[in-house]
Amino acid sequence: IAGITQAPTSQILAAGRRMTLRCTQDMRHNAMYWYRQDLGLGLRLIHYSNTAGTTGKGEVPDGYSVSRANTDDFPLTLASAVPSQTSVYFCASSDLAGGNNEQFFGPGTRLTVL
Amino acid sequence: GQNIDQPTEMTATEGAIVQINCTYQTSGFNGLFWYQQHAGEAPTFLSYNVLDGLEEKGRFSSFLSRSKGYSYLLLKELQMKDSASYLCAVMDSNYQLIWGAGTKLIIKP
Repeated sequence: IAGITQAPTSQILAAGRRMTLRCTQDMRHNAMYWYRQDLGLGLRLIHYSNTAGTTGKGEVPDGYSVSRANTDDFPLTLASAVPSQTSVYFCASSDLAGGNNEQFFGPGTRLTVL
Repeated sequence: GQNIDQPTEMTATEGAIVQINCTYQTSGFNGLFWYQQHAGEAPTFLSYNVLDGLEEKGRFSSFLSRSKGYSYLLLKELQMKDSASYLCAVMDSNYQLIWGAGTKLIIKP
């Protein structure tokens, strides 16, 4: 693994179903983030984690949950998907302890909820 | 509230120079980032400014004026591969990134 990986690449999901988007990084970054990107809007932060064992809510957290059991993994769960959650989801990570806090992004998951 | 403004779309000619502006109003300031995003791909880091002035990196330069809440990204000697969206983002007092909607840059031969 090099950098950040996300799975699945894309998914079509029926409304009401539960779905977990996976994110793994191998850079030992302490901070990780989940964003959604919709046409005409900027990236919007869903949840974040500044260190393993802690999480926080971003701008649009409703309908989503996260966990950070270890440094590398940061899964995002949709408990009961709705069509408004159709979006492209990006996971990112950064090293808050040093440098400019540049965020590195995974390749994204394109989710369609019908 | 927090707000990042940048033009929705710009068009430029191959070989020319283009300047993409970004204005911001945020709660606190811990730096301004520019990212490039090609269609269907993830954003990739271009530049970071935390002090006023110009940062140059090859064909790309980024300028910041904190007193004016203003930044621009300057792209020189445009190439077709520079066709992409350019995202401006400000790190606020909580060290979270606030993102603009992005500027789609179209390069014509």
